Amino acid sequence: GAVVSQHPSRVICKSGTSVKIECRSLDFQATTMFWYRQFPKQSLMLMATSNEGSKATYEQGVEKDKFLINHASLTLSTLTVTSAHPEDSSFYICSALEGGNTEAFFGQGTRLTVV
Amino acid sequence: SQQGEEDPQALSIQEGENATMNCSYKTSINNLQWYRQNSGRGLVHLILIRSNEREKHSGRLRVTLDTSKKSSSLLITASRAADTASYFCDKFFGNEKLTFGTGTRLTIIP
Repeated sequence: GAVVSQHPSRVICKSGTSVKIECRSLDFQATTMFWYRQFPKQSLMLMATSNEGSKATYEQGVEKDKFLINHASLTLSTLTVTSAHPEDSSFYICSALEGGNTEAFFGQGTRLTVV
Repeated sequence: SQQGEEDPQALSIQEGENATMNCSYKTSINNLQWYRQNSGRGLVHLILIRSNEREKHSGRLRVTLDTSKKSSSLLITASRAADTASYFCDKFFGNEKLTFGTGTRLTIIP
């Protein structure tokens, strides 16, 4: 099946710094990418949807200035957590969808710890 | 969003038994997918069933879809300890967003 690579798998950063998470589709062109966040023992929460070449659509309650999403190419989307705080510590997962298809494929996830 | 519900929220069974979990949704779907998530890991796609299909098999997995009842079930036969995970169903409605319910947390007791 299609492969989506998410990097890094784990990151620890200091409070106040920014962290960039990459999501790459390795063997298909991802016209749409989704970013999720998962708190411990809770379900995935959709944060935003990004379409290649356009601004991301954020879900209600998600700060777009804090969680910057860039989808500049058909194979790469990035999520930047700006001025990270300990409460941003979470598991972040991306998924990618090839235009015209109905299956989305997930990255391996990134565990962010802000200290 | 078109979040559905998985049922039960938690399930504990003995190793070797079968596990059945269900998923309900509210509107029409194009397809429905089941995923597994081990603690702290990314989602693993298990099986996809399209709206014109009623049943699909993959190894020890069997998925059924009843569009009249707007529900799907995932059956894991001859469960193993490695099947311990959370299972989510995802209902994709064409261009709408992918969203998940809280999932079913399955625990296989050795």
